[in-house]
Amino acid sequence: DIQMTQSPSSLSASIGDTVNITCRASQDIRNFLAWFQQKPGKAPKLLIYSTSSVRRGVPSKFSGRGSGTEFTLTVNNLQPEDFAIYHCQQYDTFPLTFGGGTKVDMK
Amino acid sequence: QEQLVESGGGVVQPGRSLKLSCETSGFTLRHYAMHWVRQAPGKGLEWVATISSDDGIKTHYVESVKGRFTISRDNSKNTVFLQMNSLSPEDTALYYCAKDFLGYSDGNGPPDYWGQGTLVTVSS
Repeated sequence: DIQMTQSPSSLSASIGDTVNITCRASQDIRNFLAWFQQKPGKAPKLLIYSTSSVRRGVPSKFSGRGSGTEFTLTVNNLQPEDFAIYHCQQYDTFPLTFGGGTKVDMK
Repeated sequence: QEQLVESGGGVVQPGRSLKLSCETSGFTLRHYAMHWVRQAPGKGLEWVATISSDDGIKTHYVESVKGRFTISRDNSKNTVFLQMNSLSPEDTALYYCAKDFLGYSDGNGPPDYWGQGTLVTVSS
């Protein structure tokens, strides 16, 4: 199985900050990497697919990059609604696997 | 507007069975693979099962549920199911149903629309 390791597991940031979250795969997943945002008591929301494609309706403040085994989600100009948990997922190979999540909270 | 509504969760004793349903609307179910993803209390997301689009010939499961869980679909009723047998406390989680992003696939795409989940608690 492909292991997905996210770092950091949590971070504190201020309004207006830019944050970067990393996701590492235990083997090459090409570009089959997605990012999700989850707020308390809510279902996850797909933000980015294919490493860097921003889903329609998602603000351009969210961006993704990477390839192979290392990927990064960047959130620019952090706003109150961006404080949440972010999850990565590989969909290159079954079993599909998620990272452990990164909690972004307010400093 | 794509909508998914899960039902069928509840409290069940270890070793018993439960069948979850996911009623969909706003899209043509048969065109899409479907997933079940679970989240134990305070934990991360865990993919559970996927069924391919159309007649659902291809299914995939996480190792821990193989032989115990069965995913199926009834396109005529716009519904996806998860039959869960031999439940254990480790299966306690909020179970989400999710639509695959890609059309006409085996399910090797990310989930794009999710339901709100149905809670399964396995406890004596």
